[in-house]
Amino acid sequence: QTVVTQEPSFSVSPGGTVTLTCGLSSGSVSSTYYPSWYQQTPGQPPRTLIYSTNTRSSGVPDRFSGSILGNKAALTITGAQADDESDYYCVLCMGSGLWVFGGGTKLTVL
Amino acid sequence: QVQLVQSGAEVQKPGASVRVSCKASGYVFTTYYIHWVRRAPGQGLEWVGLINPVGGRTNYAEKFQGRVTMTRDTSTSTVYMELSSLRSEDTAVYYCARVRDYRGGYFDYWGQGSLVTVSS
Repeated sequence: QTVVTQEPSFSVSPGGTVTLTCGLSSGSVSSTYYPSWYQQTPGQPPRTLIYSTNTRSSGVPDRFSGSILGNKAALTITGAQADDESDYYCVLCMGSGLWVFGGGTKLTVL
Repeated sequence: QVQLVQSGAEVQKPGASVRVSCKASGYVFTTYYIHWVRRAPGQGLEWVGLINPVGGRTNYAEKFQGRVTMTRDTSTSTVYMELSSLRSEDTAVYYCARVRDYRGGYFDYWGQGSLVTVSS
């Protein structure tokens, strides 16, 4: 069974830079998995941040960026702000019409 | 404007079934797949499955195979997700979301979520 891995939690100082990653329990993440990233705050539906590895969704500030770092997909937040404190999820398209979410990263800004 | 409007909250007993609806508007219904994603209390997002509004073909996560059924009504641009043999672990907010591409797409619009509570 495929497991998509994310850091359970991360902390960043206001104005700082943080990189969250999205890996596979077995194998490497590449652009062929079309990684996308979502932000979710309590009581709200997820918000799309990044799709197809590094394309920013409409209206998303350019301090959010996506990439492949080594064998993982990555979401980098540059100049973190207080309202970036949220849960972040990646999802991979595994082929055959199956998708798998990572376990999510709880980001704290302090 | 694109909207995905879901049905309201449900409370069901263990062993029962629940059906959640997702009505699409503001775009051509048959041009986007509809996925279902859930988030249980204290847990992360979990992909449940998808339906192709053209023809009704479905793909389900292995975990839900045999318990979930997704259908669509093209006359009303509505997708339904039915989950049977409910257990307490199915208590969650269920979201529908649209995706343009079968492979390589992304969730660009989401429904508001439907809370399903499983409790005796």
